[in-house]
Amino acid sequence: SQTIHQWPATLVQPVGSPLSLECTVEGTSNPNLYWYRQAAGRGLQLLFYSVGIGQISSEVPQNLSASRPQDRQFILSSKKLLLSDSGFYLCAWSPMNTEAFFGQGTRLTVV
Amino acid sequence: ELKVEQNPLFLSMQEGKNYTIYCNYSTTSDRLYWYRQDPGKSLESLFVLLSNGAVKQEGRLMASLDTKARLSTLHITAAVHDLSATYFCAVDTSAGNTGKLIFGQGTTLQVKP
Repeated sequence: SQTIHQWPATLVQPVGSPLSLECTVEGTSNPNLYWYRQAAGRGLQLLFYSVGIGQISSEVPQNLSASRPQDRQFILSSKKLLLSDSGFYLCAWSPMNTEAFFGQGTRLTVV
Repeated sequence: ELKVEQNPLFLSMQEGKNYTIYCNYSTTSDRLYWYRQDPGKSLESLFVLLSNGAVKQEGRLMASLDTKARLSTLHITAAVHDLSATYFCAVDTSAGNTGKLIFGQGTTLQVKP
């Protein structure tokens, strides 16, 4: 069966520090991969998606970037965090034409 | 731009009562999903609705899709406390089979004993 791992679960970072969140999927090949962000008490906003290695599409202009160095690995990064980057970050994967399956999420607080 | 709107955003109800959450979306799509989120947790997939007229049921929850009206409903029958959570609908934009989902704002359900 397929599983998705996302870490860390919780992160507190100072403003201006770098960020790296990692997500890996097991049990499938060539999945579509996604990064979503959920601000406190809000819905989910799609940040990036990838349909293959090295293929990244950004949905909103922001202080973040994403990379997919391997088929089942998706990384969310920032060179310098802003206060507004705080939120709950969720990695997700999907086979084609069906629902997305979410990781456990990373709660990021920028202080 | 695709917009997905849920109604209501907050729902407080007594155990044993019935209620319906509505999800409207603004452009054509024939794939709609319902998710549940417990406080501080990730999203759990509840229903996958892939065609007009699709109806799915699991326990006290039933979801339906009307693609012509661009409307999905999540009906709760005889609510129990364990159903307290936030429920999201999400629409697949189906742009080149990328599977990009646009989410509604979420409906927070509180079931009181």
